[in-house]
Amino acid sequence: QKEVEQDPGPLSVPEGAIVSLNCTYSNSAFQYFMWYRQYSRKGPELLMYTYSSGNKEDGRFTAQVDKSSKYISLFIRDSQPSDSATYLCALMNTGFQKLVFGTGTRLLVSP
Amino acid sequence: EPEVTQTPSHQVTQMGQEVILRCVPISNHLYFYWYRQILGQKVEFLVSFYNNEISEKSEIFDDQFSVERPDGSNFTLKIRSTKLEDSAMYFCASSDQGGNEQFFGPGTRLTVL
Repeated sequence: QKEVEQDPGPLSVPEGAIVSLNCTYSNSAFQYFMWYRQYSRKGPELLMYTYSSGNKEDGRFTAQVDKSSKYISLFIRDSQPSDSATYLCALMNTGFQKLVFGTGTRLLVSP
Repeated sequence: EPEVTQTPSHQVTQMGQEVILRCVPISNHLYFYWYRQILGQKVEFLVSFYNNEISEKSEIFDDQFSVERPDGSNFTLKIRSTKLEDSAMYFCASSDQGGNEQFFGPGTRLTVL
């Protein structure tokens, strides 16, 4: 079983739709959960950071962590064409410094 | 807004040559990292660096790789004898705490011929 799994997509939605992006993981020791956005041939851009379980909201973005199910989600409300990018989940254990990334989900928002 | 910068944006080299990739982390950050992303694959951790020493490294980061903070602003990754399979995007990142929020640079695309 892969440490972090993420559907590669592409996920195509019309402008204004609510987008749900997800990752599952196998290592219960992960305590820190991040979502990054990556445009083509650019560096990952940190969107959301969550510690342990629960929800976090920032503007149109909401991150959810369900540690009991080893499942994390990123919701994007009122999606815009500029949201078209690859979204990467990244997880980290307490006491370690390396981020373990998913493969990324490519999102396409059409006008 | 402060950001991580990297130079060069694209480096082409011959197999067996040494390359040095350069990064300027965010100025008040204390932790520094290198990651790489082979085309079409996931971002992979290489090494973390704190207080002038390596704090964690992956199995990818073998004796051909080294990191250095030669002055108060730069952070470098050296590959001593490049291989074809070293071709990838290399990302530098930095954080002001123990890795909880890592901010990435734009990357250096390394092409080994």
